[in-house]
Amino acid sequence: KAGVTQTPRYLIKTRGQQVTLSCSPISGHRSVSWYQQTPGQGLQFLFEYFSETQRNKGNFPGRFSGRQFSNSRSEMNVSTLELGDSALYLCASSLAGGLDGYTFGSGTRLTVV
Amino acid sequence: DQQVKQNSPSLSVQEGRISILNCDYTNSMFDYFLWYKKYPAEGPTFLISISSIKDKNEDGRFTVFLNKSAKHLSLHIVPSQPGDSAVYFCAASEDGAAGNKLTFGGGTRVLVKP
Repeated sequence: KAGVTQTPRYLIKTRGQQVTLSCSPISGHRSVSWYQQTPGQGLQFLFEYFSETQRNKGNFPGRFSGRQFSNSRSEMNVSTLELGDSALYLCASSLAGGLDGYTFGSGTRLTVV
Repeated sequence: DQQVKQNSPSLSVQEGRISILNCDYTNSMFDYFLWYKKYPAEGPTFLISISSIKDKNEDGRFTVFLNKSAKHLSLHIVPSQPGDSAVYFCAASEDGAAGNKLTFGGGTRVLVKP
């Protein structure tokens, strides 16, 4: 069965621009979570969506936002990009909100110049 | 404030020997712990987990030990194989927290030498 699909794989943006990343969960999974991985801060939780509702949010500024569609696909948006937003953005999906089957995608590598 | 810490950034071990990875946490509300393995340019892959009601869980070559009083867990890989060379992350989930929020350690890079 298809895994978690993240697009695009790589992205280069200029400081001040905005960016939208996409995540398609495993078929049937209704929970999608987003994480940011940087060399300095490691893997940090951004937010989680379940049935189109944000259930949990990490400690990131309001420039980071997300949404989930009725087909469980999710997008995250970062506005007014800063150099420090350069990171690997990972999404993970699970069936009903528990950690069983919690599966990560391969990530989107965002570089801000 | 790092709630989950992996104090060894790297580990080198000979093929066939045991790899021991350590993880400490500070949040007493954590009740479920996981280990992930990550290769470059890929997402983390789940290895093994343990609930706080247990002190040991085994799955093939992987065993996780949990010492709640010390807020410490460890992952043992026996025997280590060259394909185990990767970055390993421990992660924790908080009791009663809505949704799936994992708090990760900084990772330990393991190199298994043939």
